[in-house]
Amino acid sequence: AQSVTQLGSHVSVSEGALVLLRCNYSSSVPPYLFWYVQYPNQGLQLLLKYTTGATLVKGINGFEAEFKKSETSFHLTKPSAHMSDAAEYFCAVSDTLNSGGSNYKLTFGKGTLLTVNP
Amino acid sequence: SQTIHQWPATLVQPVGSPLSLECTVEGTSNPNLYWYRQAAGRGLQLLFYSVGIGQISSEVPQNLSASRPQDRQFILSSKKLLLSDSGFYLCAWGGGPYEQYFGPGTRLTVT
Repeated sequence: AQSVTQLGSHVSVSEGALVLLRCNYSSSVPPYLFWYVQYPNQGLQLLLKYTTGATLVKGINGFEAEFKKSETSFHLTKPSAHMSDAAEYFCAVSDTLNSGGSNYKLTFGKGTLLTVNP
Repeated sequence: SQTIHQWPATLVQPVGSPLSLECTVEGTSNPNLYWYRQAAGRGLQLLFYSVGIGQISSEVPQNLSASRPQDRQFILSSKKLLLSDSGFYLCAWGGGPYEQYFGPGTRLTVT
C-alpha cells in the first residue's frame, strides 16, 4: 500500500515570502500524486496533480510542485505567499483498492496548516 | 460540469441516535463514490466506496454503514451514534486512478 508523509504539521510564512510544503511518498508502482487545499469548514479543492510526463506541474492560485522520483518527493511551492493562501494543504497518492484491481482510492498525508503573517 | 452536494452542512446529534448523511452528484454517470472522515490532526480516512448501484465496500470496520440506492446518490448511516463518530464527513466522486472531487462536507458533533 502507498503512504504519504507531510513534514511539518504547521508552516508559518510572511506575506510575500516563499511557500514550501513538503511531501514524501512511498509507492510500489509509478505514483499519481496530488495536492489539495482545504479552507475552514469546506471540502477539499484540487490544486494540482502529477500523473505522467512533465515532472514540474503547475496548479491553480500560482502553486506548483515537482515530482522527484529519486527523492520520492512531491513538494508544493509558491514564490510569494498571499493572505488568502492560509489554509490546510493535503498531499495524496492514488492507491488501488484491491490487489490488482482497477478501482482506486486516495491515501492522504495528515495535512499541513499554512498560516500567512502580514 | 459536475457538481457534488452534501447535506446537512452541520449536525449535532446525541449519543445513541440514528444518522443519515446524503451525497448526490450531478453531471456524470456511474461515478465511483467515496465517504471519507476527517478527524482533527488525523488527515482523511476512507470509510466506504462504491463502484455502482448497490455495490458498497467498507475500508474500516465501524459503527457506520453506507448505501447507494441510485447511480448518483450515496448515503452514510448509523443506527446508534457513538461519541467517536464525531468528525467532518466528506463525500467524493471520481473514476480511475486519477483525482477525486469532494463535496462541501458535513460537520457532525455527537454529544
